[in-house]
Amino acid sequence: SQKIEQNSEALNIQEGKTATLTCNYTNYSPAYLQWYRQDPGRGPVFLLLIRENEKEKRKERLKVTFDTTLKQSLFHITASQPADSATYLCALGGSSASKIIFGSGTRLSIRP
Amino acid sequence: NAGVMQNPRHLVRRRGQEARLRCSPMKGHSHVYWYRQLPEEGLKFMVYLQKENIIDESGMPKERFSAEFPKEGPSILRIQQVVRGDSAAYFCASSLVRGDEKLFFGSGTQLSVL
Repeated sequence: SQKIEQNSEALNIQEGKTATLTCNYTNYSPAYLQWYRQDPGRGPVFLLLIRENEKEKRKERLKVTFDTTLKQSLFHITASQPADSATYLCALGGSSASKIIFGSGTRLSIRP
Repeated sequence: NAGVMQNPRHLVRRRGQEARLRCSPMKGHSHVYWYRQLPEEGLKFMVYLQKENIIDESGMPKERFSAEFPKEGPSILRIQQVVRGDSAAYFCASSLVRGDEKLFFGSGTQLSVL
């Protein structure tokens, strides 16, 4: 069955450093991959989408890579700030699939 | 533009009662998705609907759960005869385009079954 794994339940990073989150998947050939941010008690908020034919995408301090051979995406936050503390979810979607499936998330804490 | 609106924000039910969760998608969006989230867990897909049609209900339990998205009005997720294991946060999301588009989420309904 399709499976998405995100690295370590929690990641603790010093402010100013680069945070790197990992998303691995199996038994799936997604047409695209997305990253969302979720704060406690709130719904997820879309951050970035990267398609299967794209290797890397950037948005301000965020960078996403997508390796369909390794079946892995890396999500980077550079110059991290305490306000970046949240849970980050990766999600996969297929061009022919009707649903978007989510990983369990990585809780990121940025300490001052 | 108002975002995705879910109500109620919190819902308390006793075992055996019915729970009705409502979701109004963003203006112009005709695709609605329902997800369930347990504490410290990710989002589990339940059902994907388009106006008046259920497109994919592969994540929906076969019994007690149903969903609809009528031509007029919000999408409804209905849970009959609730049990304690139904306690969770239920999130609704909408999208403009089928499949290949980002999801806009509501703030969720926290269902507590006593």
